[in-house]
Amino acid sequence: DAGVIQSPRHEVTEMGQEVTLRCKPISGHNSLFWYRQTMMRGLELLIYFNNNVPIDDSGMPEDRFSAKMPNASFSTLKIQPSEPRDSAVYFCASSLEARFSGVSSYNEQFFGPGTRLTVL
Amino acid sequence: AQSVTQPDIHITVSEGASLELRCNYSYGATPYLFWYVQSPGQGLQLLLKYFSGDTLVQGIKGFEAEFKRSQSSFNLRKPSVHWSDAAEYFCAVGAPPGYALNFGKGTSLLVTP
Repeated sequence: DAGVIQSPRHEVTEMGQEVTLRCKPISGHNSLFWYRQTMMRGLELLIYFNNNVPIDDSGMPEDRFSAKMPNASFSTLKIQPSEPRDSAVYFCASSLEARFSGVSSYNEQFFGPGTRLTVL
Repeated sequence: AQSVTQPDIHITVSEGASLELRCNYSYGATPYLFWYVQSPGQGLQLLLKYFSGDTLVQGIKGFEAEFKRSQSSFNLRKPSVHWSDAAEYFCAVGAPPGYALNFGKGTSLLVTP
């Protein structure tokens, strides 16, 4: 199993440029999460998709950030325009969320290796 | 709102010594608690989780954690630390649906010879 795949692994860009981070979840998983890790704020949830639909985007910092999941095997996180304070490691995670009688059951979230973003 | 506090930013232990990493949570309902480990430059790996039942849970790599509702704590322990355990450890709380994770700030573990 390939696990969660993220690309690129490292990205260096200049302030004002558009940045697109990509994630391929584990095949068969139906929930996808984007997290950001910084020294100041630690690990924080940005957005969570279930069956390709955004369920909770309350962690998205501002309008410069957008995330999409056009199909079950691909998601993007876009920053436009980027700023130095966006420098962080961005993690994607996926899980299989099953529901029985409307109750969501837990399955482990598997994390990708992360994308280290540096905005100069 | 749910939150997690890890009081210790850094901990140093000698190889072979016992380890306890502290975690306190704030959550209105029954918490779903997790411990993750992150090695340098790597993603996060689940060590163990607690949902209900036995308050002492066993995880991978010889780790265990004890849930204490009266103290709102979920401390991680290992009886004998190995040099390979040096990493960043994160306590997290999640809830259905989806179990999106709310992490503590992490504890960095250094293991000395």
